Amino acid sequence: GAGVSQSPRYKVTKRGQDVALRCDPISGHVSLYWYRQALGQGPEFLTYFNYEAQQDKSGLPNDRFSAERPEGSISTLTIQRTEQRDSAMYRCASSPLEGTSSGANVLTFGAGSRLTVL
Amino acid sequence: AQKITQTQPGMFVQEKEAVTLDCTYDTSDPSYGLFWYKQPSSGEMIFLIYQGSYDQQNATEGRYSLNFQKARKSANLVISASQLGDSAMYFCAMREGWDTGNQFYFGTGTSLTVIP
Repeated sequence: GAGVSQSPRYKVTKRGQDVALRCDPISGHVSLYWYRQALGQGPEFLTYFNYEAQQDKSGLPNDRFSAERPEGSISTLTIQRTEQRDSAMYRCASSPLEGTSSGANVLTFGAGSRLTVL
Repeated sequence: AQKITQTQPGMFVQEKEAVTLDCTYDTSDPSYGLFWYKQPSSGEMIFLIYQGSYDQQNATEGRYSLNFQKARKSANLVISASQLGDSAMYFCAMREGWDTGNQFYFGTGTSLTVIP
């Protein structure tokens, strides 16, 4: 697509429920990143993929969080047994797989999914 | 250690004046990229400017310029002729090279307010 698309834009759920957040990156973008952003803070890294391979998941807070990108395009971030502290904006971003020193490897962000856990 | 440090939580600037937003970074990778993003109150993340670690010249994009001092590991953003629409959060970010994981780090941000 023309931009990074995330759904749902807003999700309100009850504590203990599972949620799945979806990201559809820009067509052809190989790298896909997930971030979490609290109000007034910078994006906090969660995980990222090159193609379908999860390269780094060190930012996932605990084992309730998981992510997949089975066909190297759309990615899903799943939070199991949600807790109130999981409430945040979850942002997805994608980029081409260019050399690090290339100006083409800019991250393009989606609008985010605002998760509220009651 | 923090990969990206932005020490100015909030800044004020008079309209039409220039302002510098500070950013220092930490990496041992010789190949990296530095980025600045703008986040207005609407919440979107807007890419502003990029500097590669091997670039000899400081990057410029319209009213934005990046003051890259490699030895000091600093990548300050300079906004010239500030406009009311420049009021926003500004994030400095760094992308490391493949050998160190190709990770993309963000700072905590600086909130800029342009005063009429």
